[in-house]
Amino acid sequence: AQTVTQSQPEMSVQEAETVTLSCTYDTSESNYYLFWYKQPPSRQMILVIRQEAYKQQNATENRFSVNFQKAAKSFSLKISDSQLGDTAMYFCAFTRDDKIIFGKGTRLHILP
Amino acid sequence: GAVVSQHPSWVICKSGTSVKIECRSLDFQATTMFWYRQFPKQSLMLMATSNEGSKATYEQGVEKDKFLINHASLTLSTLTVTSAHPEDSSFYICSASTILAPSPYNEQFFGPGTRLTVL
Repeated sequence: AQTVTQSQPEMSVQEAETVTLSCTYDTSESNYYLFWYKQPPSRQMILVIRQEAYKQQNATENRFSVNFQKAAKSFSLKISDSQLGDTAMYFCAFTRDDKIIFGKGTRLHILP
Repeated sequence: GAVVSQHPSWVICKSGTSVKIECRSLDFQATTMFWYRQFPKQSLMLMATSNEGSKATYEQGVEKDKFLINHASLTLSTLTVTSAHPEDSSFYICSASTILAPSPYNEQFFGPGTRLTVL
């Protein structure tokens, strides 16, 4: 079975600090895409960052970056200079074909 | 661009009635639409995948006779919860998929969700 594991159900950090959310996944496929989605209190799903599995270079999007370790099937998200607006639920996910498989999520609180 | 809408945003209904939720891609044609269910403080669970003009493919454990999906056009998919019961109360999210060249990946864009409460 293809699964996504997020071992941190909840985290809190002070504003401006850096935080890392962990994620491991399991798939037998060699080519797939990995994602981090953000779900704020509005519950709108927002794509934070995407990584293509065949690319070794870690993806970055402004303050968001990933550490992709394909052999270890690990895909962590680092948020630098965290802001109050980063408070949300974060889901790690991967896709094969057209389906997206989500982890259970990490609830992140940014404290003022 | 790539906006997906859902209607209604919330609905309350009596047990035994049917409820229809619409999902529209506003500025693109969606090759595939997906329906998810999310319980409070839980993750998204894929219910079914639908392609325009064909029958939906349901995930294991999802009752196809209870959750009717119609994908009438490349911009509209509907989910009908038939004979709703309190245990069907949940947050339902749709997404629409399209190919964004030059990426080979079919990007999924999510709607804002519909909160269903069955009394």
